[in-house]
Amino acid sequence: GIQVEQSPPDLILQEGANSTLRCNFSDSVNNLQWFHQNPWGQLINLFYIPSGTKQNGRLSATTVATERYSLLYISSSQTTDSGVYFCAADSNFGNEKLTFGTGTRLTIIP
Amino acid sequence: NAGVTQTPKFRVLKTGQSMTLLCAQDMNHEYMYWYRQDPGMGLRLIHYSVGEGTTAKGEVPDGYNVSRLKKQNFLLGLESAAPSQTSVYFCASSYSRQGRGHNYGYTFGSGTRLTVV
Repeated sequence: GIQVEQSPPDLILQEGANSTLRCNFSDSVNNLQWFHQNPWGQLINLFYIPSGTKQNGRLSATTVATERYSLLYISSSQTTDSGVYFCAADSNFGNEKLTFGTGTRLTIIP
Repeated sequence: NAGVTQTPKFRVLKTGQSMTLLCAQDMNHEYMYWYRQDPGMGLRLIHYSVGEGTTAKGEVPDGYNVSRLKKQNFLLGLESAAPSQTSVYFCASSYSRQGRGHNYGYTFGSGTRLTVV
C-alpha cells in the first residue's frame, strides 16, 4: 500500500511566525487530505487536495502530484493552531483505506 | 449542531469483557468509518461501511465486529477485549467515498478513550 511520511515530526514556533509542513507519499494519489487534531483530540478536515493549491484564511495547501508531495502552509500562527497535523492519502479508487501519516506536532508559543 | 457523536467518551474494561461503541451521525452520510489512534502511529482503519446494511474490513479488523443496521448509526463491538486494544477510537463519516471532492471530507467524532486492563 501507499506510504505516507510527514516532516518535521515536531515544530515549535513563536506566535506570528509562518510554518510549512510537508507530506511525502510513495505512489500517485487520487485522494489527499490534511487534518488538524487540536489538543483536546478533535479531528478537523482542513483540505481535500489531490493536486493543485487551495487556500482557506491563513492556511493554504499545495500538492505536486507528479513529485509526490504536499505542503501545508500556516501564516501568522496563533496559539489555536497548536495540535497535530495529519496528512492522509490513497492511490486506489476502489479502496476505502485512507492511509494516514504519523503527523506533525505543532506548538505555538505566545 | 450537525455532526458525529460517539458514546461513551471513556471506558475501562477488564481483559475478556465485551463492549459496544456507538457512532451516530445526522448528516445523512452514506460512508462511515471506525479508526483507532495509537501513539506514534497515526490513525488506522478498522472497519468501514459504504451504506446501510453494509460493512467491510479495513487495515486492522481482527478482534472487532461492526454493524450498520440504520444509516445514521455505526456500531463497533469488542467481543473479548485484550490489552492490545487499548487505544483511542474515532468514528468518521463522509458524503462521498473517502471524503473525495471539493468541499467534502471526513467529519470525525470526538473519540472514545478505551483502556483494557
